[in-house]
Amino acid sequence: EAGVAQSPRYKIIEKRQSVAFWCNPISGHATLYWYQQILGQGPKLLIQFQNNGVVDDSQLPKDRFSAERLKGVDSTLKIQPAKLEDSAVYLCASSVWTRLYNEQFFGPGTRLTVL
Amino acid sequence: AQTVTQSQPEMSVQEAETVTLSCTYDTSESDYYLFWYKQPPSRQMILVIRQEAYKQQNATENRFSVNFQKAAKSFSLKISDSQLGDAAMYFCAYRRPSDTGNQFYFGTGTSLTVIP
Repeated sequence: EAGVAQSPRYKIIEKRQSVAFWCNPISGHATLYWYQQILGQGPKLLIQFQNNGVVDDSQLPKDRFSAERLKGVDSTLKIQPAKLEDSAVYLCASSVWTRLYNEQFFGPGTRLTVL
Repeated sequence: AQTVTQSQPEMSVQEAETVTLSCTYDTSESDYYLFWYKQPPSRQMILVIRQEAYKQQNATENRFSVNFQKAAKSFSLKISDSQLGDAAMYFCAYRRPSDTGNQFYFGTGTSLTVIP
């Protein structure tokens, strides 16, 4: 079974530039999560999709961050414009939406450095 | 929002010894799930062990076991016979029930060093 795929793995940009991250979840996983993990901290949920609908985006800085999940499969997360404090690893995860099978599978992450 | 607290930023253990990592959480929900995830340096986060809140029996996975105290809202991870490959960041996570959103909340992590 293929895992969660993310690209790019690394990205370095100047502040005020734009950047986009891509995630392909495990086939059949209806739930997709985007997390921000700042160095030395635990992952913080940015947005959660159930199929192509948003379940929770309460911690997404909507003035600069946006995300979409077209057709309920792949997802993109965009930052426009980037700030220095956006430097972090952006993790994508997916899971099956059932009571029994509740494990969350993570991708390798995208490490973003904003200069 | 639910909060997850890991009060030990760093822990160390001698190879072959046992170590316990602490986790507490705050919730008003009765039906939820708890997880321990392992994140090796520069590597992917992987699941170590899970516990359903409705189960009284503590989960075990080979050398890994938990001590789940629902009333105390405590969920500690015990690693027995520690190995060099156990060195990693360990995150405790709380997952809400499916009918309320399925969101995950993570603690700040405990960095485990295994001393040869």
